[in-house]
Amino acid sequence: EAQVTQNPRYLITVTGKKLTVTCSQNMNHEYMSWYRQDPGLGLRQIYYSMNVEVTDKGDVPEGYKVSRKEKRNFPLILESPSPNQTSLYFCASSLYGQDQPQHFGDGTRLSIL
Amino acid sequence: ELKVEQNPLFLSMQEGKNYTIYCNYSTTSDRLYWYRQDPGKSLESLFVLLSNGAVKQEGRLMASLDTKARLSTLHITAAVHDLSATYFCAVETGAGSYQLTFGKGTKLSVIP
Repeated sequence: EAQVTQNPRYLITVTGKKLTVTCSQNMNHEYMSWYRQDPGLGLRQIYYSMNVEVTDKGDVPEGYKVSRKEKRNFPLILESPSPNQTSLYFCASSLYGQDQPQHFGDGTRLSIL
Repeated sequence: ELKVEQNPLFLSMQEGKNYTIYCNYSTTSDRLYWYRQDPGKSLESLFVLLSNGAVKQEGRLMASLDTKARLSTLHITAAVHDLSATYFCAVETGAGSYQLTFGKGTKLSVIP
């Protein structure tokens, strides 16, 4: 089954404790992206990747890191999480091509205390 | 900076009625997406609109794009309860960039 898999789905942690949210897709997609969703703000892009070893900042990259060492994986790293990073996070992927929509994972709800 | 505005943000409508959700954006773009999100769920792709005048239909939903007016519409025909969800439009930030800027979403409630 074609899918984008995020882990964990839920996480409660404390300020300053490094964490990684994994994202994996099995569709051989070149493009991958991370978004955060906050009430009243819609989705905002954090980072995206056009292919292996190619990443770039989105609209709200501060406090986050990413890497793209393999085509299928695109982890999101919070080196020193803070309460303002409490949010619902989505990973997405797509093929290149003008008619290709992004496929979204099920989301990761992070709470930083 | 690209801004994407959706109207209305909240919509309560009766079953069987028609209504339109509007998506305005501030700078030139030729690619626009519509997504649906059910409560507590992920986003599901509805439509990809690629050019001026593009129109796509799926069931009771029809989306159109007017790039000159920087406007897309999502028209709902004879609404049913199953259409209750939040609908997002997303606009490509730069030609071929694959970066998307999302609207804040329209929460639709269809009342029996």
